[in-house]
Amino acid sequence: SQKIEQNSEALNIQEGKTATLTCNYTNYSPAYLQWYRQDPGRGPVFLLLIRENEKEKRKERLKVTFDTTLKQSLFHITASQPADSATYLCALVRPSSNTGKLIFGQGTTLQVKP
Amino acid sequence: NAGVTQTPKFRILKIGQSMTLQCTQDMNHNYMYWYRQDPGMGLKLIYYSVGAGITDKGEVPNGYNVSRSTTEDFPLRLELAAPSQTSVYFCASMQGIRISTLHFGNGTRLTVT
Repeated sequence: SQKIEQNSEALNIQEGKTATLTCNYTNYSPAYLQWYRQDPGRGPVFLLLIRENEKEKRKERLKVTFDTTLKQSLFHITASQPADSATYLCALVRPSSNTGKLIFGQGTTLQVKP
Repeated sequence: NAGVTQTPKFRILKIGQSMTLQCTQDMNHNYMYWYRQDPGMGLKLIYYSVGAGITDKGEVPNGYNVSRSTTEDFPLRLELAAPSQTSVYFCASMQGIRISTLHFGNGTRLTVT
């Protein structure tokens, strides 16, 4: 079965630096991969989606890359701010899915220190 | 906009009790999902529905039941609660599989003692 691995250890960085989070998957290449942000006590919120034929996607200070050869997605936050502190989840859907079921990684907690 | 609304926010159950977690969405989404989230374990899919009257099991359905009589509502029923069901439960909806981003509620934190 498909598995997703994210760094379980928290990532601590200094304000202004670039945070890079990793998402690795096994088995089949997904039709697309998504990143969500989750704050304590809240539900995840969608951030970015990247399709299998796209190598990179950007939205403001966020950038996602997708390498189907390495079976990996990287999520970058440039010029990080303390407000970016949260848990970030990656999720994927299998090709040709007609149910929209997403498989989630366990999430990586980012702490940005002022 | 309300989006996805879950009630209650918190609940404590005794072993063997039953309860229903409520979920309603006002976006007219056909696809709805129930996930549970345990510390360090990510989100696991319990049940899902692709439209009113249609439900199916996810990855961890044992001990739960769902119904989908309307597009808006997707309640999750726990029968005979067990300590293993202590978790945070999230309901989510999706407009369609072509625009396949999930909209989540803010969760129900359930403790079974």
